[in-house]
Amino acid sequence: DVQLVESGGGLVKPGGSLRLSCAASGFTFNNVWMSWVRQAPGKGLEWVGRITSKTDGEITNYAPPVNDRFTISRDDSKNTLYLQMHGLKIEDTGVYYCSRDYNYFDLWGRGTLVTVSS
Amino acid sequence: IVMTQSPATLSVSPGERATLTCRASESVRTNLAWYQQKPGQAPRLLMYHATTRATGVPARFSGSGSGTDFSLTISGLQSEDSAVYYCQQYNNWPPWTFGQGTKVEI
Repeated sequence: DVQLVESGGGLVKPGGSLRLSCAASGFTFNNVWMSWVRQAPGKGLEWVGRITSKTDGEITNYAPPVNDRFTISRDDSKNTLYLQMHGLKIEDTGVYYCSRDYNYFDLWGRGTLVTVSS
Repeated sequence: IVMTQSPATLSVSPGERATLTCRASESVRTNLAWYQQKPGQAPRLLMYHATTRATGVPARFSGSGSGTDFSLTISGLQSEDSAVYYCQQYNNWPPWTFGQGTKVEI
């Protein structure tokens, strides 16, 4: 099956760190660009950041609210995408989805919940 | 780019037609996608390039528009179409931006 499965979410204190993972299967992971999109409780969707394929330079871009705090990486040998989050703020609370990125997002994982609270 | 969706909530009866609108603060040409999100689920891609249905999306879903004004029409509404629908522009980045969503109640 073609799927994405996120993991690594949990409860973390403000200022803390967390690393999310996204395991891909059923498609050629190393050819695709990938993004993280998040959703605060009861709110809409917010694009977090993207990483291009290795062939395209593994270039990363981030939304302003997370720039300099979040880092996206990938391990094509493990078909896995990562989101390293530092300096977490209460407003980072939400469900984090990984998605296959063709500028639009055609495949989504089920998400992992990150709660930032003291 | 700011994406504005209307209405916030749309209540319709089964079998009716629903039209959701999405307006961009500046032209995004046809670089617009629509997503459906049901409670507790991940979003699902419905349309891209404003008018192209994604794989497996029923023909009762159709998209139109270009520039700044777009619409998603759902014909012959079914109970399973109850969801929140989001538009997303991918013309001017970063960042990609989403609308705030329209909730469709059947």
